[in-house]
Amino acid sequence: EIVLTQSPATLSLSPGERATLSCRASQSISTYLAWYQQKPGQAPRLLIYDASNRATGIPARFSGSGSGTDFTLTISSLEPEDFAVYYCQRRSNLLPFGGGTKLEIK
Amino acid sequence: QVQLQESGPGLVKPSETLSLTCAVSGYSISSTYYWGWIRQPPGKGLEWIGSIYHSGSTYYNPSLKSRLTISVDTSKNQFSLRLTSVTAADTAVYYCVRSWSSGSYYSDYWGQGTLVTVSS
Repeated sequence: EIVLTQSPATLSLSPGERATLSCRASQSISTYLAWYQQKPGQAPRLLIYDASNRATGIPARFSGSGSGTDFTLTISSLEPEDFAVYYCQRRSNLLPFGGGTKLEIK
Repeated sequence: QVQLQESGPGLVKPSETLSLTCAVSGYSISSTYYWGWIRQPPGKGLEWIGSIYHSGSTYYNPSLKSRLTISVDTSKNQFSLRLTSVTAADTAVYYCVRSWSSGSYYSDYWGQGTLVTVSS
């Protein structure tokens, strides 16, 4: 079964820096990958779908790229509200979610 | 504006049945989309539970399939989850979602989540 592996598990950065989060699939998933942001006590929020399409209302500093097995979520310049946990998700009924990356303030 | 709201007991005894309902406003669930459930054990990641299409077709996580039923009530514009024979491992925040695919891929609307604790 295809597994999504997110790295790093924790990323420590400062506001204003660039964040690069990785999601790797054990087999090709084309571009069927979504990214979510989850803040403590809140439901996840859709950021990116189909690898590179920003969801409605998502700021332009968030971008997604990749295809096949390697995907990246980039936050061009971190705002204080961006520190959260990020999950990737593939289009499947079997183990669709990655384990998450916690983006914390350095 | 589409809104989803979960409701149901916050405490369920082991071996009993967990039942949750998701009320949808701002969109008719009989129109299109998949309507599903995702859960998150305390301090852990997201687990897809299952979903139902507007036509009534259901899709379940294989690991939960034997205990799981998802149904829809179009007259009330809501859908429900029923999980039998629960154990402590079913303790989690349960979210209802609107999605573009059966595995709840591309979930663009989420409920706020409801914590269900399995304990005697």
